[in-house]
Amino acid sequence: AQSVTQLDSQVPVFEEAPVELRCNYSSSVSVYLFWYVQYPNQGLQLLLKYLSGSTLVKGINGFEAEFNKSQTSFHLRKPSVHISDTAEYFCAVRRYYYGGSQGNLIFGKGTKLSVKP
Amino acid sequence: NAGVTQTPKFQVLKTGQSMTLQCAQDMNHEYMSWYRQDPGMGLRLIHYSVGAGITDQGEVPNGYNVSRSTTEDFPLRLLSAAPSQTSVYFCASGGSSYEQYFGPGTRLTVT
Repeated sequence: AQSVTQLDSQVPVFEEAPVELRCNYSSSVSVYLFWYVQYPNQGLQLLLKYLSGSTLVKGINGFEAEFNKSQTSFHLRKPSVHISDTAEYFCAVRRYYYGGSQGNLIFGKGTKLSVKP
Repeated sequence: NAGVTQTPKFQVLKTGQSMTLQCAQDMNHEYMSWYRQDPGMGLRLIHYSVGAGITDQGEVPNGYNVSRSTTEDFPLRLLSAAPSQTSVYFCASGGSSYEQYFGPGTRLTVT
């Protein structure tokens, strides 16, 4: 079975400061990794995903994440945040299936990013 | 392109009532799923489907029923609503891109 731990439930940060949202996962099999963002009263939107290859993944809105297999981590970073980045961020994993592009996502509990002026 | 649609957006039920949450997608995705979101709990999988006629249970299936008669629709039925089912419900679908697309959610309150 897989599990996901998001180490911070809330992260307050000032505008234009850098931010890192931490995510660790546990799995006995190979996994795919995802970060989703949820703006207030909306559904979830994919920020970025790691499937294979380069461990540094770039996503939308200037976010990037680095896959670290030895530390089983997939931390999300942005060098300079904006007020509009205020949202809840979810890390998710799903197990690898050969030839299968879909499967059940296991989500972390979320990190609320609050960007202050 | 509507993507994933959910109805209703809001619903209030009394304990013991039943209802169906609707979910439809127009992307011809084989995979569809239902999650519930509770504060501090993230999203938890209720049921999922890998194609018409094929459904299976997720992490928290008790009290919910699903069926998938068409590729487009994946309704979630609450058989006898309980206060513990007060939550925000999200439907998602996925195809060949490894991404799952989420609907806008249904906010359900059971009194």
